[in-house]
Amino acid sequence: QSALTQPASVSGSPGQSITISCTGSSSDVGTYNLVSWYQQQPGKAPELMIYEGSKRTSGISNRFSGSKSGNTASLTISGLQAEDEADYYCCSYAVGSTWVFGGGTKLTVL
Amino acid sequence: QVQLVQSGAEVKKPGASVKVSCKAYGYTFTTYVIHWVRQAPGQRLEWMGWINTGNGNTKYSQKFQGSVTITRDTSASTSYMELSSLRSADTAIYYCARVAGGVAFDIWGQGTMVTVSS
Repeated sequence: QSALTQPASVSGSPGQSITISCTGSSSDVGTYNLVSWYQQQPGKAPELMIYEGSKRTSGISNRFSGSKSGNTASLTISGLQAEDEADYYCCSYAVGSTWVFGGGTKLTVL
Repeated sequence: QVQLVQSGAEVKKPGASVKVSCKAYGYTFTTYVIHWVRQAPGQRLEWMGWINTGNGNTKYSQKFQGSVTITRDTSASTSYMELSSLRSADTAIYYCARVAGGVAFDIWGQGTMVTVSS
């Protein structure tokens, strides 16, 4: 069960938009619309941001949005703010009632 | 307040076992599946397995099959993760997390640091 593929790092200036991709396979992302996204601040537990591909958790800013096309899911953050700087992980339900995480992406706000 | 509270940090020698607990507060324990996820220092999140807290059924990642055992005590609203034959590569923070609606990890424990060192 291989990890989902994410870019190791992305960066953007305040106010800009960035997109983080998450590529899997037909065993996970491509078949199930059950991708979730997590934000992890240094030294903290992950926090759920997006579930079922595009649904925002209560209290999460509408600057965060999710989508999926084929085997690739994406997280877009618009209007970047300094507080968005963190690690982001995607996760997908996979065949055999298993789950798989992505490799994580470090977002730097310039 | 809905939360998962984990046991404290552990230091173990190679070859030993460790058992980490995860106690649920603020909701009916048996209505949500509990998963275990680990994160080695500076590394990605890694899914280990889950337990259906209602009937005790479990599912493990192939990587951890045979070395991890996830259990629960419904009377204590607590799940346990035991990892055996520890190696230095098992040094990591171990998290428990609740799955909401079967689709995403909505509540996480604070994490338990397990250090394996001779």
